[in-house]
Amino acid sequence: DQQVKQNSPSLSVQEGRISILNCDYTNSMFDYFLWYKKYPAEGPTFLISISSIKDKNEDGRFTVFLNKSAKHLSLHIVPSQPGDSAVYFCAASTYYNFNKFYFGSGTKLNVKP
Amino acid sequence: EAGVAQSPRYKIIEKRQSVAFWCNPISGHATLYWYQQILGQGPKLLIQFQNNGVVDDSQLPKDRFSAERLKGVDSTLKIQPAKLEDSAVYLCASSLEEEVDRGHRRGQFFGPGTRLTVL
Repeated sequence: DQQVKQNSPSLSVQEGRISILNCDYTNSMFDYFLWYKKYPAEGPTFLISISSIKDKNEDGRFTVFLNKSAKHLSLHIVPSQPGDSAVYFCAASTYYNFNKFYFGSGTKLNVKP
Repeated sequence: EAGVAQSPRYKIIEKRQSVAFWCNPISGHATLYWYQQILGQGPKLLIQFQNNGVVDDSQLPKDRFSAERLKGVDSTLKIQPAKLEDSAVYLCASSLEEEVDRGHRRGQFFGPGTRLTVL
């Protein structure tokens, strides 16, 4: 039973344009969400997070939006750069076990020069 | 700050053989995790340690997988005997025991992983 879903396995965008990566979840107990970025042959690295008390968090070119009623979050990258090409994982945890994360299957982003 | 170290980086074995992976977490991180990432899927938690005690091993196939964390630092994950479906990347991660500011949780720090191929 996959509680965090990323339905787009891949996404291709032009350099300078916006990249939008989507994530859906089913567990209403999730109260914290993170995005990880993964390059080939490396482990995932933390990118940005959002608490359920917020609906938006911004860090430079990266913004995460949370829609609790729809159980949906998205990661916006503006402007996209070739170095952003990687696999992006969405992850979620609950308030009662905040160290246990459930991961989506990932979206491979390709930013074309 | 040194990151999470894992070895070996790659391993190829035949089915029914045994294999072991090693992980050294970030210094001071009390919580250690082992994940299995099958190609095209996200990381799946196998086992979570808090110091040297097991917090969650509900998804660990205990008939063939075992893990230990001696002295609350390094950890090993063993598979015996291996099956074809065990082919995956095995990721180790660590985190602080508590997040002082939960509004800025950074989750876990991952090692580079061990890519296991079972033939």
